[in-house]
Amino acid sequence: GAVVSQHPSWVICKSGTSVKIECRSLDFQATTMFWYRQFPKQSLMLMATSNEGSKATYEQGVEKDKFLINHASLTLSTLTVTSAHPEDSSFYICSARDFETVLPTEQYFGPGTRLTVT
Amino acid sequence: AQSVTQLGSHVSVSEGALVLLRCNYSSSVPPYLFWYVQYPNQGLQLLLKYTSAATLVKGINGFEAEFKKSETSFHLTKPSAHMSDAAEYFCAVSVFYNQGGKLIFGQGTELSVKP
Repeated sequence: GAVVSQHPSWVICKSGTSVKIECRSLDFQATTMFWYRQFPKQSLMLMATSNEGSKATYEQGVEKDKFLINHASLTLSTLTVTSAHPEDSSFYICSARDFETVLPTEQYFGPGTRLTVT
Repeated sequence: AQSVTQLGSHVSVSEGALVLLRCNYSSSVPPYLFWYVQYPNQGLQLLLKYTSAATLVKGINGFEAEFKKSETSFHLTKPSAHMSDAAEYFCAVSVFYNQGGKLIFGQGTELSVKP
């Protein structure tokens, strides 16, 4: 149980284009999903918290107009990198909390998406 | 504000030796603490978690961690390292109060296991 998928697993796009990454909870409902960014040999940096049916909460320094997050259902959140540039190349990881979780037990992580902008 | 510090960005042990990965936390409220493992180009897998129950927490793959409030520590140990344990390990603290349970991660510790 508690499986989170991401699609695509890797993507290469040209500078100036937009790319969408999907995060799905496969066997549970997630009111809250999180988006992280990870550079090589570094830790995960939280970009935003995504709540179903409401606007995402972005961390300080993250451009909300560049990283568009939509959490349209209890099983799907999407991250769109708009007008991508080479510096946006990174490993993007999502995670989800079970809807029925009362205490902050673990988040379930997706396998990540490797974005390369050329 | 909550934070986590992992001492040592890289730890190397011999196969069969004790694994000790250090994590210290800072929190103004009782913390929830986690250890995750990440293999190359993959997401994170939960090893174990502390949620204010038993202070000695046993996890998967033979790992365990002890919550020590007096030392503000949550070190990860395994009695005997296996080659398959080579990976990146992250300690994290959960920020629940008014912040929806987001995780704050430490810098990570890369574990190498020598044959």
